[in-house]
Amino acid sequence: GESVGLHLPTLSVQEGDNSIINCAYSNSASDYFIWYKQESGKGPQFIIDIRSNMDKRQGQRVTVLLNKTVKHLSLQIAATQPGDSAVYFCAESGGTSYGKLTFGQGTILTVHP
Amino acid sequence: ETGVTQTPRHLVMGMTNKKSLKCEQHLGHNAMYWYKQSAKKPLELMFVYNFKEQTENNSVPSRFSPECPNSSHLFLHLHTLQPEDSALYLCASSAVSNTEAFFGQGTRLTVV
Repeated sequence: GESVGLHLPTLSVQEGDNSIINCAYSNSASDYFIWYKQESGKGPQFIIDIRSNMDKRQGQRVTVLLNKTVKHLSLQIAATQPGDSAVYFCAESGGTSYGKLTFGQGTILTVHP
Repeated sequence: ETGVTQTPRHLVMGMTNKKSLKCEQHLGHNAMYWYKQSAKKPLELMFVYNFKEQTENNSVPSRFSPECPNSSHLFLHLHTLQPEDSALYLCASSAVSNTEAFFGQGTRLTVV
């Protein structure tokens, strides 16, 4: 069901630490997953994606892990920097249009110098 | 700069006004989307256009009227909105298959 008065989960880390942001999804038919970063006053920015035939994918300082058994997605950010402070959204998609995304509620990441 | 440009960035309108939001993408994509981002809800898909044809209307009230004259431009026409329609309206584009969606910066709409 919908959340009213949504309170976003928060994660505070020190600069240089590794960050892990978690996301649960509900649609077992989803076959494409994506992480976005949204800074204040900006639109969501693509970070990394993964398809359901994979369980891990690495980018520059970021890794996405997919566990289809428990419908769980995580984003790992290595050596977190103050510029990583933002709201992070996971999203799922499937079918014929990969821009038709269902978003999670988001996690606020704050990185302290 | 993501290649998706939205105008205006900010808009204040009265409940009896008519206004339009504009989105333009320079990425050669053939699918475009409108999303709504409210303070107390996750990002919500509103409309989907594939090759200029509307393929999804996610139960959006008729006071929101989208228009897609070509694959590069998308409009959202607004008429007799309510204060609860105040939100960040985001446009996105993608190739129809196999790529992620790129978002614009959004239009911050306030209905007074």
